[in-house]
Amino acid sequence: AQKITQTQPGMFVQEKEAVTLDCTYDTSDPSYGLFWYKQPSSGEMIFLIYQGSYDQQNATEGRYSLNFQKARKSANLVISASQLGDSAMYFCAMRSMEYGNKLVFGAGTILRVKS
Amino acid sequence: DVKVTQSSRYLVKRTGEKVFLECVQDMDHENMFWYRQDPGLGLRLIYFSYDVKMKEKGDIPEGYSVSREKKERFSLILESASTNQTSMYLCATLDREDNEQYFGPGTRLTVT
Repeated sequence: AQKITQTQPGMFVQEKEAVTLDCTYDTSDPSYGLFWYKQPSSGEMIFLIYQGSYDQQNATEGRYSLNFQKARKSANLVISASQLGDSAMYFCAMRSMEYGNKLVFGAGTILRVKS
Repeated sequence: DVKVTQSSRYLVKRTGEKVFLECVQDMDHENMFWYRQDPGLGLRLIYFSYDVKMKEKGDIPEGYSVSREKKERFSLILESASTNQTSMYLCATLDREDNEQYFGPGTRLTVT
């Protein structure tokens, strides 16, 4: 099974609307961390948000929130009030001891925000 | 701010050439990583290092080697470049205190 699955190759969203980017993961390790990164066209990877497997509450960082559903092994990223500058590639990633405590990435989702 | 720099943003090399990609960090992080990024495949780990002179193979080490002689510098080496190594290469470090991985700007390598 894929360790990290992002089923949406590309997404469009209207400016000022909210958008959810899907991510499911697979690990048998009870302790793991989930990450979201943004990669604009310039290429740099920008850390957005982190969720630990034992965290009681969903992580939030400004307009970013992580909809963590542990039983379903999903960690969807929600971007509220989309802005044109949110257009980028978004990667979901996981770190767990099962995979040698290395960061494992999904294939990514391209998000385009329309004005 | 953590700074991770890579020696080149764009590089064009010929098949069979030896290629060095350099990564330097200024935050004294022990862990450093080399990834390659390809469309539809995300980032895949080539090699990583958790200390000077220590290295571990990642998921796709074939055709690559690495060198970590100093803590701040982690080099990726393509002994004999091939066209299937045309890709974006990203270096990263790990801050173990906040569990955050910091990336360099990337090197887009084209092998012709």
